Amino acid sequence: NAGVTQTPKFRVLKTGQSMTLLCAQDMNHEYMYWYRQDPGMGLRLIHYSVGEGTTAKGKVPDGYNVSRLKKQNFLLGLESAAPSQTSVYFCASDSGGLPYEQYFGPGTRLTVT
Amino acid sequence: AQKVTQAQTEISVVEKEDVTLDCVYETRDTTYYLFWYKQPPSGELVFLIRRNSFDEQNEISGRYSWNFQKSTSSFNFTITASQVVDSAVYFCALSEPGGSYIPTFGRGTSLIVHP
Repeated sequence: NAGVTQTPKFRVLKTGQSMTLLCAQDMNHEYMYWYRQDPGMGLRLIHYSVGEGTTAKGKVPDGYNVSRLKKQNFLLGLESAAPSQTSVYFCASDSGGLPYEQYFGPGTRLTVT
Repeated sequence: AQKVTQAQTEISVVEKEDVTLDCVYETRDTTYYLFWYKQPPSGELVFLIRRNSFDEQNEISGRYSWNFQKSTSSFNFTITASQVVDSAVYFCALSEPGGSYIPTFGRGTSLIVHP
């Protein structure tokens, strides 16, 4: 039972470089999310998806793009990384309705120098 | 605007003590969800509970219980007979209608349980 997986676990980028974070879930969940967590703060929603082929902006979407071409995968892209994007990124999925369940990936620690 | 306040930054207790983590929220919506999450020192995030705004019944799950009071806009979390393994940062969150309900998180309360 893999749940939610994220790759990579760690990454160091230079300013201006691009990268893609991959989130995969095997629970057939419709809803998937990308959050960032900065020291001393709770999570902030970057983008989310309510189903295959759909994406929507969360509260801090600038500088990020997402895609959900397959139901089980939710990709987060940074086109031109900035030091302000240094953070821990968490992916999550949930069932939406009842019985409600929600799971998080293990996180990706990204440093932009 | 939605807001979640966890006024307790850090709480320190001795094992077997009961502890309550406070969560106060602000919203203009009548339909919303409230959540609690646990983040142990290892860093993973664990979903604990989701409560619908129309359901004010208290919930108990083992040593955990939650008290939802609309009159005071609070959704407090109590751990009975705390254990060292309960040491973690606990986050409260409020989600607003819109798509899949966009959440707003509090800044978290760090709970340290001493043996």
